[in-house]
Amino acid sequence: KAGVTQTPRYLIKTRGQQVTLSCSPISGHRSVSWYQQTPGQGLQFLFEYFSETQRNKGNFPGRFSGRQFSNSRSEMNVSTLELGDSALYLCASSLLDRAQETQYFGPGTRLLVL
Amino acid sequence: GENVEQHPSTLSVQEGDSAVIKCTYSDSASNYFPWYKQELGKGPQLIIDIRSNVGEKKDQRIAVTLNKTAKHFSLHITETQPEDSAVYFCAASTIFGNEKLTFGTGTRLTIIP
Repeated sequence: KAGVTQTPRYLIKTRGQQVTLSCSPISGHRSVSWYQQTPGQGLQFLFEYFSETQRNKGNFPGRFSGRQFSNSRSEMNVSTLELGDSALYLCASSLLDRAQETQYFGPGTRLLVL
Repeated sequence: GENVEQHPSTLSVQEGDSAVIKCTYSDSASNYFPWYKQELGKGPQLIIDIRSNVGEKKDQRIAVTLNKTAKHFSLHITETQPEDSAVYFCAASTIFGNEKLTFGTGTRLTIIP
């Protein structure tokens, strides 16, 4: 079974631009969560989607948003990029949205904001 | 919300020796504790997880122990090998609150040949 895939793998943007990242979960998984990983803040939860609905949201500004499609694929969008948004953005999928569900991570999208 | 502390931040052990990484959590409602291994340029890979209804779980050279009373859990790697070198993250999850998983700050494990 194929793992979680994320596109693009690398991205360079400038301040003020917006960016859209894509995640395809493991086949049959219906929950997709997004995390931001930086050297200073570590791994931080952004949000979770299940059945096209946002189920949980971390402590990030409204510039960070996401959505999920009927095939469970998910996108996250960051508007008005700031230098501090440079990070590795990780997507994780799980079968359901229950708290004890095992999450499987993709390789991430590395975003550099100049 | 949940807070997870992880120690040590770096750990070097001789090949063949054991490595232990410890985590504490703050939310007594947390009931799921996975451990992830992250190699350079890759996403975190689940290596073992434990749920709150058990105290210990083993998978070949890897074991995790959970002490719910003290709110801490540990990763034990025995007979370490060079390919065990990576960054290890512990995490905790609760059915309450908004966070899907709260992660520790990571431990960079280096196996010395």
